[in-house]
Amino acid sequence: GDSVTQMEGPVTLSEEAFLTINCTYTATGYPSLFWYVQYPGEGLQLLLKATKADDKGSNKGFEATYRKETTSFHLEKGSVQVSDSAVYFCALSENGANNLFFGTGTRLTVIP
Amino acid sequence: DAMVIQNPRYQVTQFGKPVTLSCSQTLNHNVMYWYQQKSSQAPKLLFHYYDKDFNNEADTPDNFQSRRPNTSFCFLDIRSPGLGDAAMYLCATSVGGRRETQYFGPGTRLLVL
Repeated sequence: GDSVTQMEGPVTLSEEAFLTINCTYTATGYPSLFWYVQYPGEGLQLLLKATKADDKGSNKGFEATYRKETTSFHLEKGSVQVSDSAVYFCALSENGANNLFFGTGTRLTVIP
Repeated sequence: DAMVIQNPRYQVTQFGKPVTLSCSQTLNHNVMYWYQQKSSQAPKLLFHYYDKDFNNEADTPDNFQSRRPNTSFCFLDIRSPGLGDAAMYLCATSVGGRRETQYFGPGTRLLVL
């Protein structure tokens, strides 16, 4: 079945450090891939998405590239800020399904 | 701004006392979803409506029900809340279903005493 495996957290970085959060997936077809962010006490917000192989999603300095050959969708940011502290969820949506399959989430804390 | 609205943001109920959570949307989306998110876990889909068609996930307890009286509103009813039902409940919408982006509301945090 479909599943998402996400890098274990928590992750603590200093401001302006480089961020990578790994995400790999298992799917039977050609899913769409998403990164959602959840700030403390709030719901999920779409951060970026990619719908086919080699697509790159980007938003607010974050990027992720849909790699079919490695079934990965790693999240990167070149220089994190304190305001990026949140929980990040990788997710996939498969053809023929209305469900979003989420990874377990990675908590990022950025310290000044 | 078009959005997904959830009320209330915090709900306290007593063990066994029925409770209803509300979700509304101004996006005019066809699909509305309810997720349960327990502390430090990923959201788990309970059910969704595609227009008026109700789709229940296989492992959603019978204690959870839903109503969608019109396009804009969707309700989550918990008939007899237990302590294990304390969680954040997230409502989401999408234009269609498959592979579409889902837009989430801010969530309702339910506390069961």
